[in-house]
Amino acid sequence: AQKITQTQPGMFVQEKEAVTLDCTYDTSDQSYGLFWYKQPSSGEMIFLIYQGSYDEQNATEGRYSLNFQKARKSANLVISASQLGDSAMYFCAMVNQFYFGTGTSLTVIP
Amino acid sequence: DAMVIQNPRYQVTQFGKPVTLSCSQTLNHNVMYWYQQKSSQAPKLLFHYYDKDFNNEADTPDNFQSRRPNTSFCFLDIRSPGLGDTAMYLCATSLHRGATGELFFGEGSRLTVL
Repeated sequence: AQKITQTQPGMFVQEKEAVTLDCTYDTSDQSYGLFWYKQPSSGEMIFLIYQGSYDEQNATEGRYSLNFQKARKSANLVISASQLGDSAMYFCAMVNQFYFGTGTSLTVIP
Repeated sequence: DAMVIQNPRYQVTQFGKPVTLSCSQTLNHNVMYWYQQKSSQAPKLLFHYYDKDFNNEADTPDNFQSRRPNTSFCFLDIRSPGLGDTAMYLCATSLHRGATGELFFGEGSRLTVL
């Protein structure tokens, strides 16, 4: 069975600091993709970053980077220079099997 | 421009009164998905269409049905909503099914069953 685990239900970070949101996964597939989505209180799901299992380099998109450790089956999201607008729910997802983690609620403190 | 559009954004219905939620896409994607997201929970896949091929999740209640009359539109029908069906319903699309298929989400339809 496929499974995504996010162990941090809530996180706080000071504005302008970096924060790491944890995600571990379990799959027997050799080819898979991991995504991170942001969900503000308004409800829409916003795509942040994608990492393919065969990608040799860690994915980066602006202030978002993915710390991908394939052997440990982890795909942690790093947000640098946090902004107040980053306060939201963050979901890790393994989309080839349609699974989402339980999410982490991030609050950025001024 | 919005690429995945869901209507209505907010829907209030009475216990047992059928409701239909719609999703349209301008991306010409092959795959369309319906997720249910209850408060403070992760989105849960109900079913998806790969072109005209319907794929139902094993634990999706029979009360939930879906139609995809063409590539652009997909509907979620809840035949007899219960109080437990109060949730956000998210429609998503992807070009292909598989490891590289990023999901494009609509803004969701918030359903309240009274």
